[in-house]
Formats: sequence, C-alpha cells, structure tokens
Amino acid sequence: ILNVEQSPQSLHVQEGDSTNFTCSFPSSNFYALHWYRWETAKSPEALFVMTLNGDEKKKGRISATLNTKEGYSYLYIKGSQPEDSATYLCALLTFSGSARQLTFGSGTQLTVLP
Amino acid sequence: DSGVTQTPKHLITATGQRVTLRCSPRSGDLSVYWYQQSLDQGLQFLIQYYNGEERAKGNILERFSAQQFPDLHSELNLSSLELGDSALYFCASSVGLAGGHGTDTQYFGPGTRLTVL
Repeated sequence: ILNVEQSPQSLHVQEGDSTNFTCSFPSSNFYALHWYRWETAKSPEALFVMTLNGDEKKKGRISATLNTKEGYSYLYIKGSQPEDSATYLCALLTFSGSARQLTFGSGTQLTVLP
Repeated sequence: DSGVTQTPKHLITATGQRVTLRCSPRSGDLSVYWYQQSLDQGLQFLIQYYNGEERAKGNILERFSAQQFPDLHSELNLSSLELGDSALYFCASSVGLAGGHGTDTQYFGPGTRLTVL
C-alpha cells in the first residue's frame, strides 16, 4: 500500500500570515506529484504538476517545491487571505502495472481567519 | 468551471439497485478518470479510460464498471448497491499526453453525490 502523507491535518492562520505544509511520499517509484486546492462544496482544482527533483513552481502567492530523493514536497502560501481557505491535496503519480494512477493524501485543511 | 460536466448532481437510491453516473470531459480531452470519496476516506482512484480504452484500474469493486464512448463521454455503472457505496463520485479529464500515461493535469467535474438508503 502506497502512503502519501500530508501534515498538518489542519491549520488555522491569521490573514496576512505566510504558511506552508508538507506532502511526504516514498521516494522510490516516483513519477510526478500533483497539488490540488479543494474548496468546500466545489471540486478539486489543479495547482501544480511537479516532475523533477528540485522543481519549484509558483502561481500567484502559492508556490511549491519538490525533493524526490528524500520524498517530500512543500506548498507555501505567502500573505494568506480568507479566500485561500480550502483543503490542499497532494497526489502521487505512480505505476500500477503498466499504467499510472494518482494516489491522494488526506489533505491539509487551511482556515484563514480575517 | 473546469469544463468537465457530471450528471446527475445528486442521486438517492436503495440497496440492491443499479445506477449510472455520466461524465462529459473537457473539449479535446481524451482521458477520463473516476474517483470515489467516502466520508472516512480520501479520494480513491477507481478507473481511467483513454480514447475509449481502459488504461488503468484502481480499487474498483467488481460490482462497478465503466466505459468510454466514441464521443469520449464516460459512464460509471454501480450495481447491487450497498450502504457503503454512498459517496461523492468525481470524474476528471485530461488531455492524455503520451497515450494516457503522461503527467498531464487532471480537471475535476463537480461530482455526483450518491446516497444509498
């Protein structure tokens, strides 16, 4: 069973604070890592797809880094806003026989307090 | 709006019944994925189709089946329903790089909430 772990499980921050959370995964059999943002009552929205060790990606105030050798990815949010409140999911793309599939972590639930 | 549509939004049915969930991918996307999210579990991959053919299979029960039609829409059929099948079922689509094995971004639909009573 492949374990994709996210920490912390939940997080409350004040508006304006910067924050980060972690996605940990087995470093072997790595192919790609996806990050998604999932707001309540909506569907998951793709943030990043990361494939190379040392990858850094940025979208507005959100950025992510990847370390495939040690098996982790960090997601950073700079200057959090209430609209950033959501669950942030990471998912590991791995081989399943001859095909590849995404295995999701359980997410980090972020609440940004005004 | 991701461009992926799913119908119906909500479905309430009884144990033992059979239902069909429908998904239309984004225009131009060849890959369709089905996921299940139960109350006590995260998103679980069920199955993927690429251009009409099954590409990958996850933790999909034998009572469940899916297909992708020539117009690329997909249906997920759930039969002999049990209480534990109550969940949110998501469809996602992607361009389908490298024959459906690529690292392309998946775009999720709004989901179908299935309640089995």
